[in-house]
Amino acid sequence: EAQVTQNPRYLITVTGKKLTVTCSQNMNHEYMSWYRQDPGLGLRQIYYSMNVEVTDKGDVPEGYKVSRKEKRNFPLILESPSPNQTSLYFCASSLSGRGERRFSPLHFGNGTRLTVT
Amino acid sequence: DQQVKQNSPSLSVQEGRISILNCDYTNSMFDYFLWYKKYPAEGPTFLISISSIKDKNEDGRFTVFLNKSAKHLSLHIVPSQPGDSAVYFCAASARNTDKLIFGTGTRLQVFP
Repeated sequence: EAQVTQNPRYLITVTGKKLTVTCSQNMNHEYMSWYRQDPGLGLRQIYYSMNVEVTDKGDVPEGYKVSRKEKRNFPLILESPSPNQTSLYFCASSLSGRGERRFSPLHFGNGTRLTVT
Repeated sequence: DQQVKQNSPSLSVQEGRISILNCDYTNSMFDYFLWYKKYPAEGPTFLISISSIKDKNEDGRFTVFLNKSAKHLSLHIVPSQPGDSAVYFCAASARNTDKLIFGTGTRLQVFP
């Protein structure tokens, strides 16, 4: 089954304790992205990757890191989480983010609800 | 600055009637628009899209209308069904960027 898998689904942590949220897709997609969803703000892009070893900042990258060492994986790293990073996070992938292939729809994971106390 | 706006946070519609969800945008460079549907505890799923060269795209019960002069698009669901109850996000993409900008979402509730 074609899917985007995020882990964990729920995570409660304390301020300053490094954490990683994993994301993996099995569709051989080039484009991957992380979003956060907050009430009244919709989905905001954190980072995205056009292909392996290529990553770029989205609209709200502060406090986050990503890496794309393999095509299928795109982990989100919070080196020193803070309470304002409490949110619902989504990983997504698509065939490509560029040119005509940017029209290919995003496939989303089921989300990771992160609480930082 | 919110480039894609959904001014109605929620909408309640009776089963069988039409649901109309609205979306406004400010960036005239946007040339491709999408609607996603999101159920609780799941990620958003793609619903329907429209290119700026068209003013209407239809897929079954779902139709998206684009008014470029007004920078406005709308999603019509006819007839509405209880299974359509979800949060709907509109999104926009510009030709010269790699980004997809989402709106704030509208929660649709279809009651019997």
